Amino acid sequence: EVQLLESGGGLVQPGGSLRLSCAASGFTFSTYHMSWVRQAPGKGLEWVSSISVNGGNTYYADSVKGRFTVSRDDSKNTLYLQMNSLRAEDTAMYYCARGMTTPDYWGQGTLVTVSS
Amino acid sequence: DVVMTQSPLSLPVTLGQPASISCRSSQSLVFSDGNTYLNWFQQRPGQSPRRLIYKVSNRDSGVPDRFSGSGSGTDFTLQISRVEAEDVGVYYCMQGTHWPRTFGQGTKVEIK
Repeated sequence: EVQLLESGGGLVQPGGSLRLSCAASGFTFSTYHMSWVRQAPGKGLEWVSSISVNGGNTYYADSVKGRFTVSRDDSKNTLYLQMNSLRAEDTAMYYCARGMTTPDYWGQGTLVTVSS
Repeated sequence: DVVMTQSPLSLPVTLGQPASISCRSSQSLVFSDGNTYLNWFQQRPGQSPRRLIYKVSNRDSGVPDRFSGSGSGTDFTLQISRVEAEDVGVYYCMQGTHWPRTFGQGTKVEIK
């Protein structure tokens, strides 16, 4: 069974940093592109970032470019999102998803709250 | 960026009646490989998104056959042939052809 389990969310002050993790199981992680998608409270879905197999290519939404970094550790079957210079508008549930053209499996999400 | 425009944004439906959601893109979603990466997701209250349809019309395993997707180019539709109570939620289209990936605003389906 495919499982994606996000962690690392929490309350952080504006300007602070967090690193999100997404532990994958039930499939060969190294052979899949992966993505992060977020959802602000009461709002719609917003694509954040994607990373290709082997990490060779990374993609970012303009809203996070230069502040967020996506990476993967295939030996640990884990996807990461390093988030720096956090802003109030980054407050959201962050989901990891398998794939970047037709994301099929999604995790339960981890909540990030940016507030003083 | 490719803008995905859904309509309606709110859709009250009687149980057992059909429902239809439109999704229009500001650019063609046909990729250079010939595929059209238009997906539909369902998000039930308090749950993560679930993919229903990929590449316009391919239904995911376990998705009831009352859900169907159609369209081409820039104009796409999700249809529910007979709405059931478990279909309540928000439906999103998403394009996976162009960077950045973009979603529609979401259509909230509720029972009248």
